[in-house]
Amino acid sequence: DGGITQSPKYLFRKEGQNVTLSCEQNLNHDAMYWYRQDPGQGLRLIYYSQIVNDFQKGDIAEGYSVSREKKESFPLTVTSAQKNPTAFYLCASSISGMGNTEAFFGQGTRLTVV
Amino acid sequence: AQSVTQLDSQVPVFEEAPVELRCNYSSSVSVYLFWYVQYPNQGLQLLLKYLSGSTLVESINGFEAEFNKSQTSFHLRKPSVHISDTAEYFCAVTNQAGTALIFGKGTTLSVSS
Repeated sequence: DGGITQSPKYLFRKEGQNVTLSCEQNLNHDAMYWYRQDPGQGLRLIYYSQIVNDFQKGDIAEGYSVSREKKESFPLTVTSAQKNPTAFYLCASSISGMGNTEAFFGQGTRLTVV
Repeated sequence: AQSVTQLDSQVPVFEEAPVELRCNYSSSVSVYLFWYVQYPNQGLQLLLKYLSGSTLVESINGFEAEFNKSQTSFHLRKPSVHISDTAEYFCAVTNQAGTALIFGKGTTLSVSS
C-alpha cells in the first residue's frame, strides 16, 4: 500500500538532546512537509521541500533542521535550541509543490520532553 | 499574507442534527481551499477541496462546502450528522507562493446521542 510512514509514534527526549523524526513516503511525490500541532493552535509549517536536495523554512523553523537527500525521505531533527519541543509532529507529501494538489499526511509522532 | 480563521473552536451537536463549521480566509492571490478531518491521535485526511469551477463542493460522506468569494468564506455543512463524525476539522488555504498549506486552528465537532 502506498502512503506516508512516520516513526516512531511516541518519542521521549531529555532536555538538551537532539532527536530525529523519520518520515518516508512511497507515493513518488516530489513535495514533502513538516507541521507541528499544538492544542488549540492548529498546524504550523516548520519546513517544506519541493524537490530533492532543496528545502525552505516555514513559519516556525527555529530550532529545527531537515534534509532531503532522497525523494522518499524527509527527516526532521528537533535540536536542543527548540525551546518548547513537546508537540505532535505531522509529515505530509503532495505530488508537486503547488498548493492546489492534495496533501497526504502520516499518522504523526508525539514528542515529549522529559 | 494568507490566513485562515475558524470561527468556532468547539461545536457540540446531537446526532441527526444539521451542522455548520465556519471558515473565513484572507488571500491576495488565487485561492485554493481545503477541509481536512483528524480523528484522535491520527494524521489528517482530506475531506473536500475547492480549486476552481463550481463553488459548491461535496465529499463522499455527506459533507459539503461552498466557496463564497465576496464573503471570503468556505463553510462546511452537513444536513444530518452521525456519532462517527466526531473529530477535529481543519480549514486550509494555499500560501502566497502556492507551495504549502496554511491551516486554521481547528474546530472540534462533538456529536452525541
